Order: sequence, then structure tokens, then C-alpha cells
Amino acid sequence: GAVVSQHPSRVICKSGTSVKIECRSLDFQATTMFWYRQFPKQSLMLMATSNEGSKATYEQGVEKDKFLINHASLTLSTLTVTSAHPEDSSFYICSARIRGDTQYFGPGTRLTVL
Amino acid sequence: GQQVMQIPQYQHVQEGEDFTTYCNSSTTLSNIQWYKQRPGGHPVFLIQLVKSGEVKKQKRLTFQFGEAKKNSSLHITATQTTDVGTYFCAGVSGGDSWGKLQFGAGTQVVVTP
Repeated sequence: GAVVSQHPSRVICKSGTSVKIECRSLDFQATTMFWYRQFPKQSLMLMATSNEGSKATYEQGVEKDKFLINHASLTLSTLTVTSAHPEDSSFYICSARIRGDTQYFGPGTRLTVL
Repeated sequence: GQQVMQIPQYQHVQEGEDFTTYCNSSTTLSNIQWYKQRPGGHPVFLIQLVKSGEVKKQKRLTFQFGEAKKNSSLHITATQTTDVGTYFCAGVSGGDSWGKLQFGAGTQVVVTP
């Protein structure tokens, strides 16, 4: 099946710093990628839809200046959490849309902000 | 906006028993997908249902999509310890061209031997 990678898998940072998370589709081109956030024992919450070559579309309540998304190529989307605070600590997961509406998920990035 | 409700949120099953998790959308869906997430892992795609009344089987798993395309169920027979994890349904709204998934709350399944 389709493979999506995420880097880093785990990151710990100090409050006020920015963190960049990469999402790559390894064996296919993805025009559309999605970014989700998941709190412990909760469901996935869609943050934004990332389209190659255009601005990301953010879900209601998600600050676009806080969570910067760049989809520079058909195989790479990045999420930058700017000026991270402890409440930004979460599990961030990307997915890539392939055939139809099927999405393949990356392994996730666990962010801890101290 | 579209909401997807999923019950139960927690299911404790004896090995060998059957169980069902249910999903209900507030709006008509173009399709519904099911994912499984193991503890500490990421969601893994199981299946997609597109047609009204569709039923699909994967070994011990049976997936159904309602006639109105607003509800779905996952039935697992003869549960095994490998079935442990959280099962999520995720719907795509009928009017959504991006294919955005609206996830249910998930059913966390615990299996006791």
C-alpha cells in the first residue's frame, strides 16, 4: 500500500520555539494532504487541508498564523508550529489522499512543549 | 456542520465473542471509511463504503453502509486479542470535493483472553 512518512516522530521543545514537521508521500504523488491533531484517548481533529502549490485551507478555530502549512511539492507538506506553548503538545498526524477519497496516514509526530 | 457520532466509545470483549460498533452522521455521506488505530500507532485504513446499503466483509469483519448513507456499522465475530485497538469511522460529506474526513469519536476495544 501507499507509504506516508513523517519526521520527526517525536520532538520535545521549549516554550516559545517553533517546530517543523515534515510529511512525505514516498511512493506516490499527493496533490492533497491533510493535517490532524489528536489528544490522548480522543479522536482525530482535522486542522487543515494542504494542496500543492496553493494556500492551505484551515478548519474553523485553527489559527493559520500559529500552524503554518506549506505544500511545496507533490510529495512534501510541512507543518510549522510557531511559538509553541504547552497547550500545543499533542500528536500531529498527516495523511495523503490517493485514489478517490482514501487517505493514507503517516506514523504521527508526538510534540511535547515544556 | 457535519457531525459523525460513534458508539460505544468503549467495548470490553471476551475473546471469542462478537461485537458491533455503530456510526451515525447528521448529514448524507458520499462515502464512509473505517480505520483501526493500535495503541501508540496511527490510523490504518480498513475499508471504504460508497454505495447505499453496501455490505463488505474482510475475514471476521463485516462493514455495512445504511440505505440512507447516513449510518454505518462494523461487526467483528469471534474476537481475537489481535483485534485490540480503537476503531474509527470517518465520513466524507456529500458536498465535499476535497474528500475531508470527519472522524467519529472511536470505539476503543479491549479483549480479554
